Amino acid sequence: GAGVSQSPSNKVTEKGKDVELRCDPISGHTALYWYRQSLGQGLEFLIYFQGNSAPDKSGLPSDRFSAERTGGSVSTLTIQRTQQEDSAVYLCASSLAPRGGGGRGLDTQYFGPGTRLTVL
Amino acid sequence: GENVEQHPSTLSVQEGDSAVIKCTYSDSASNYFPWYKQELGKRPQLIIDIRSNVGEKKDQRIAVTLNKTAKHFSLHITETQPEDSAVYFCAASKRSGGYQKVTFGTGTKLQVIP
Repeated sequence: GAGVSQSPSNKVTEKGKDVELRCDPISGHTALYWYRQSLGQGLEFLIYFQGNSAPDKSGLPSDRFSAERTGGSVSTLTIQRTQQEDSAVYLCASSLAPRGGGGRGLDTQYFGPGTRLTVL
Repeated sequence: GENVEQHPSTLSVQEGDSAVIKCTYSDSASNYFPWYKQELGKRPQLIIDIRSNVGEKKDQRIAVTLNKTAKHFSLHITETQPEDSAVYFCAASKRSGGYQKVTFGTGTKLQVIP
């Protein structure tokens, strides 16, 4: 079936503008994660959704960052008043991760191709 | 919270040699340990994983070992090939409040020299 998709694949914006990044998880996956990866760096956790709720927002770097998920499916990550240090690849991942218990393969995260954000 | 350390940050090996990447974790409640491979410009992809009730798992040229007592796990790649060149991430995961929490290591850039 279709994997995780993200759009746009590339986004160039001017400092101070708002941007919206979209993630379409694998159908039926209840858990959704956003990560940020700066050039040559590791995966920085941003936020985690289980269904439409976000039990862990601890990774959001500032109040300029927000995310929502509707219908237990599509998620959008919004960055307001973008700064140059926001430039990075934003990765989304999803997993089955049923509430109350996982099992073999159910916790595996599947990543999307990422959105490369460049703030000029 | 969980802290995952990964070593080395870079690793160069000759084609055909073995490569070993090591990770340690801090939270004894972590019970699932996946490894991801990320080729240049591509998304991370799961290559192997292990659960805390297993000490070792092997898949062709790739193996992972887990020592729960010492809280460390390792990735072993034998007979390395140029296509193994990539960045490898380890991760430690646990259930928290009915939800899964995953912490990634900082990555190891593996270069296989032909």
